Amino acid sequence: AQKITQTQPGMFVQEKEAVTLDCTYDTSDQSYGLFWYKQPSSGEMIFLIYQGSYDEQNATEGRYSLNFQKARKSANLVISASQLGDSAMYFCAMREGRFLGNQFYFGTGTSLTVIP
Amino acid sequence: DSGVTQTPKHLITATGQRVTLRCSPRSGDLSVYWYQQSLDQGLQFLIQYYNGEERAKGNILERFSAQQFPDLHSELNLSSLELGDSALYFCASSPGTGLGNQPQHFGDGTRLSIL
Repeated sequence: AQKITQTQPGMFVQEKEAVTLDCTYDTSDQSYGLFWYKQPSSGEMIFLIYQGSYDEQNATEGRYSLNFQKARKSANLVISASQLGDSAMYFCAMREGRFLGNQFYFGTGTSLTVIP
Repeated sequence: DSGVTQTPKHLITATGQRVTLRCSPRSGDLSVYWYQQSLDQGLQFLIQYYNGEERAKGNILERFSAQQFPDLHSELNLSSLELGDSALYFCASSPGTGLGNQPQHFGDGTRLSIL
């Protein structure tokens, strides 16, 4: 089974609107971390936001928030007030277990296009 | 600037050749990860090292090998290159200790083109 599933290969959003990028994960560990990365067309991978499995509150970082639903094993990224610069590929990732040297698992990514 | 340095940025070579990609992790990071990103295959995990030891192995071909040195820099060796090896190769690092919210930080990648 895939550890991280991103079911939306491509998404479109109007500028200034909010958009939700879906991510579901699969783990039997109680302790894990969830991460979102952005990859613009220039190629670099940019860390956006983190959610720990024991965090009771949803993570927020500026216009990014993570809608964490533990029972559903979902960690959706919400981008509010979309900007043209948000057009990029977005990857969801997970690190299982307590050992911080553990492997990261990445999803296949969602391509987001912001329309003016 | 992520603090992860990858060299070279671009590499053009021919089929059958061998190349070495180099990665210097962020200062203090113990874990180094290598990924291959092709146009049609997304981000593929190749291999991970933690403090000099191989920690996890992904879809790494037998023609590929890697190592992490005592100073924690890492090298990815690709041999008997094929056209299908053309891709963007990323190195990432993470602390491996400390708080659980430590992400991987990625280098800018090495773009390998096989002619």
